[in-house]
Amino acid sequence: AQRVTQPEKLLSVFKGAPVELKCNYSYSGSPELFWYVQYSRQRLQLLLRHISRESIKGFTADLNKGETSFHLKKPFAQEEDSAMYYCALIPGNTPLVFGKGTRLSVIA
Amino acid sequence: EADIYQTPRYLVIGTGKKITLECSQTMGHDKMYWYQQDPGMELHLIHYSYGVNSTEKGDLSSESTVSRIRTEHFPLTLESARPSHTSQYLCASSESGRMEVFFGQGTRLTVV
Repeated sequence: AQRVTQPEKLLSVFKGAPVELKCNYSYSGSPELFWYVQYSRQRLQLLLRHISRESIKGFTADLNKGETSFHLKKPFAQEEDSAMYYCALIPGNTPLVFGKGTRLSVIA
Repeated sequence: EADIYQTPRYLVIGTGKKITLECSQTMGHDKMYWYQQDPGMELHLIHYSYGVNSTEKGDLSSESTVSRIRTEHFPLTLESARPSHTSQYLCASSESGRMEVFFGQGTRLTVV
């Protein structure tokens, strides 16, 4: 069965430090992977998707099929990056499957 | 403005009451979803619809029901609310052939 694993429930980093939010997936087909973000008192929104291979708000994520990973990275964390981050997978023609989420806290 | 709307935003209701959470989208999307966000912030799919008169149950066993009579409208009903239903409910939509899913602001339900 398809599954998304985010091993860290909470990640705290200092401002200016590098950030890496881990995501591993389990899916036998060709995956469509995403990172969604929920800032405090805002709706859940798409941050980036693997197929676009773009950088959004300084974040990047590379799909590693060998390690079945899709880690989210940013070289220098900012306070406004503090939020709840969800890794998600679309397994074929079925709805998004989310990981449990990681709360990122950037300390000034 | 094209958006997805959920009402009410907050609701406190007594045990045993019947409630309907409203969700409408003006984006012309054919697919709609309901997710439950638990206190630990985990997201669980409870219902989805890929078109009018088509609904499916999600991964999380739920005592709620949904209907999809109009493309833009996807209400969720709890026939008899219980304290265990206390949660944040997120409605979402997407367009066939496009991967991005758009979420509403959510309804925070408290059953006392």
